[in-house]
Amino acid sequence: DSGVTQTPKHLITATGQRVTLRCSPRSGDLSVYWYQQSLDQGLQFLIQYYNGEERAKGNILERFSAQQFPDLHSELNLSSLELGDSALYFCASSASYSSGEADTQYFGPGTRLTVL
Amino acid sequence: SQKIEQNSEALNIQEGKTATLTCNYTNYSPAYLQWYRQDPGRGPVFLLLIRENEKEKRKERLKVTFDTTLKQSLFHITASQPADSATYLCALPEGKYIFGTGTRLKVLA
Repeated sequence: DSGVTQTPKHLITATGQRVTLRCSPRSGDLSVYWYQQSLDQGLQFLIQYYNGEERAKGNILERFSAQQFPDLHSELNLSSLELGDSALYFCASSASYSSGEADTQYFGPGTRLTVL
Repeated sequence: SQKIEQNSEALNIQEGKTATLTCNYTNYSPAYLQWYRQDPGRGPVFLLLIRENEKEKRKERLKVTFDTTLKQSLFHITASQPADSATYLCALPEGKYIFGTGTRLKVLA
């Protein structure tokens, strides 16, 4: 158990809908990262928050947004869903501010999103 | 921007043998490189971190090397076991973390 929790575990929804994925980082970790992993694809970095502030952004679609709350949990909002958004979405946490500091990322169990 | 290349073909080896997985990167040498293990449908799990000034790092049956001249890291599992079967990812920092697509290892009993 990494100490990172994600809910829900599975999500099935229809095209055009909006969903929210939730992540609670390990106790003491200030950084939260979101990744997307499609079938046979590598982990694609979406966005990082550090202590409530956006720290780094990857190829995150404009339809997707995220935030980190004062209690450090984070939510990833996906809207106007398309079939291609079906994927595993992982949250990870670390203690460090940036990837420049050698630090371990601890991954949650993921949310499997299926868009029908 | 930096790219990571891992052999996308699955690697099948016999139990007890040493598995060697390769991670090549294309541009500048990162300050460090990480290896993760991922089982199907689960989140990656951190295994080892090696810094650019370290040639080799070991942890139990795992060994990682880092050759900045070749722009390559090798990941070895000695005395492999069927329980080692998984996908192994390398990752390096570039503002954010970049992950390779991973190599699927299958250890045959």
